[in-house]
Amino acid sequence: DIQMTQSPSSLSASVGDRVTITCRASQTISTYLNWYQQKPGKAPKLLIYGVFSLQSGVPSRFSGSGSGTDFTLTISSLQPEDFATYYCQQSYSTPIYTFGQGTKLEIK
Amino acid sequence: QVQLVESGGGVVQPGRSLRISCVASGFTFSDYAMHWVRQAPGKGLEWVAVISYDGSNKYYADSVKGRFTISRDNSRNTLYLQVYTLRAEDTAVYYCARDSRRYFDWLSNFDFWGQGTLVTVSS
Repeated sequence: DIQMTQSPSSLSASVGDRVTITCRASQTISTYLNWYQQKPGKAPKLLIYGVFSLQSGVPSRFSGSGSGTDFTLTISSLQPEDFATYYCQQSYSTPIYTFGQGTKLEIK
Repeated sequence: QVQLVESGGGVVQPGRSLRISCVASGFTFSDYAMHWVRQAPGKGLEWVAVISYDGSNKYYADSVKGRFTISRDNSRNTLYLQVYTLRAEDTAVYYCARDSRRYFDWLSNFDFWGQGTLVTVSS
């Protein structure tokens, strides 16, 4: 089974900061990597699919990169509404879809 | 607008069964594969099961294989998850999520989610 490992598990940052979250797959997953945002008590929301593509309505301050086993989610200038938990997910090993353990982004 | 509304959660004794539902609206339900994803209290997301647009193909996480059954009724725009022989570790919020594709594959992502229904397994 493909394991997805995110780092860091938690992160403190300030409004306006540039933030990068990393996701590493235990084997190559090409570019079959999605990112989700989840706020407390709410359902997850799709942010980025296929490593790079922004879901409709997602602000352009979010971006994704990577291929193979190493991927990053970058928020170029943190806004108050961005404080949440972020999950990566691989779809390479369809029909098994594995999530990372999550990265909690908190206000410094 | 796309809406997914789960129901059927509650407190259940270990070893008992439960069926949870997800009613879809705002899109052609029969055109999309659907998933169940769960989240134990304070934990991360765990993919549980997927069903193709027509119900012909179903797959499960190893952790629930043989105990959970995913199904759908396209005439009722409803997705189901029948859970048998519940264990304490099945306690979680169960989300239904729409696949971006008709038939799940490498390009799949979960583009819309319901608000979830909480299943608590406790004596």
